Amino acid sequence: GAVVSQHPSWVICKSGTSVKIECRSLDFQATTMFWYRQFPKQSLMLMATSNEGSKATYEQGVEKDKFLINHASLTLSTLTVTSAHPEDSSFYICSARDIGLSKGVPYEQYFGPGTRLTVT
Amino acid sequence: GQNIDQPTEMTATEGAIVQINCTYQTSGFNGLFWYQQHAGEAPTFLSYNVLDGLEEKGRFSSFLSRSKGYSYLLLKELQMKDSASYLCAVNTNAGKSTFGDGTTLTVKP
Repeated sequence: GAVVSQHPSWVICKSGTSVKIECRSLDFQATTMFWYRQFPKQSLMLMATSNEGSKATYEQGVEKDKFLINHASLTLSTLTVTSAHPEDSSFYICSARDIGLSKGVPYEQYFGPGTRLTVT
Repeated sequence: GQNIDQPTEMTATEGAIVQINCTYQTSGFNGLFWYQQHAGEAPTFLSYNVLDGLEEKGRFSSFLSRSKGYSYLLLKELQMKDSASYLCAVNTNAGKSTFGDGTTLTVKP
């Protein structure tokens, strides 16, 4: 159980275009999903916290108008990178927290497999 | 803010034991996670400590001292497949996790 999927797993796009990444919790409901970005040989940097039915909370320095997050249901959150530039090329990882806190480890995040974005 | 420190790289021999340390400074501490991450893949959960002491799970153990802001991950009977990056992540009362930069472990035959 506790499987999170991401789609696509990799994408190449041209500078100036927009890319949408989907994050789905397959066998559990997630009120909270997190979006991270990871550059090569660096750690995960939290971009935003996505709560179902409300606006996402962005970390300092992350442009909310550039990285649009929608969490329309308890199993789906999307991240849209608008007007992508080469410096947006990175590994984007989502994670989801089970709504049932009594299951497993408190505050445990289940990670998706990641999406490799390359902007040319 | 939060500050998490762990060594950048470590090397160990197959079959040996290795300890990866993590020190942190944070407000509103609410648990510490260790994750394993292979290159190009997402992190996978290894352990969680919220109280002081040692948590053992097979070949992997994790220790926490909240008063010292210190944790370590102990890997026993190292295998080649244990070569990976190990991430220390601190959870706060706000429900968010902050990750350290990770320790790249190389296991040699």
